[in-house]
Amino acid sequence: GENVEQHPSTLSVQEGDSAVIKCTYSDSASNYFPWYKQELGKRPQLIIDIRSNVGEKKDQRIAVTLNKTAKHFSLHITETQPEDSAVYFCAAVEGGADGLTFGKGTHLIIQP
Amino acid sequence: KAGVTQTPRYLIKTRGQQVTLSCSPISGHRSVSWYQQTPGQGLQFLFEYFSETQRNKGNFPGRFSGRQFSNSRSEMNVSTLELGDSALYLCASSPSPGQGALNEQFFGPGTRLTVL
Repeated sequence: GENVEQHPSTLSVQEGDSAVIKCTYSDSASNYFPWYKQELGKRPQLIIDIRSNVGEKKDQRIAVTLNKTAKHFSLHITETQPEDSAVYFCAAVEGGADGLTFGKGTHLIIQP
Repeated sequence: KAGVTQTPRYLIKTRGQQVTLSCSPISGHRSVSWYQQTPGQGLQFLFEYFSETQRNKGNFPGRFSGRQFSNSRSEMNVSTLELGDSALYLCASSPSPGQGALNEQFFGPGTRLTVL
């Protein structure tokens, strides 16, 4: 089955700086890669996703890049703000299946 | 449009008991997936239902089961509870299965299960 590795487990950045979270996946047939943000005590919420036919996608301060050859994808957050503090999960969907395989999460801390 | 709802929100059980959790998807959504979230293992896929049929199942023992009703509401059941089953159980709904189409999964608030 699919295996997703996520790094780092904790990331602390100064407010206004950029943050990058990286994930690798094992199944070359995976074709959908969402990123979820989970604030303390709340449900995961989709913040951006990318499909295997696209190399990069942007939404305001958030961007995701995908390298299918290397089987890795990354989340980039620019001009970080205090409200960006949360746990971020990457996920991949194995081709032909529907259950999301999640990374272990990254606790992003924005220092004032 | 109301979001995904889960009941109960909190549950305390003892080892050996069984538990049933309920999930009501967003109106019009026909696919429901269940996930277990623990500090050690993170978010792990349990199973997915569509049209009252289980489409996929994660790597969990047979004590974990589920079903879906004709109105798309879903329940999951855990029998013979173990201490390690303590977790946040999340369900997520999407319009239809398959990530090939634009099928974002919307998560419910979860049910916090504590096994004593």
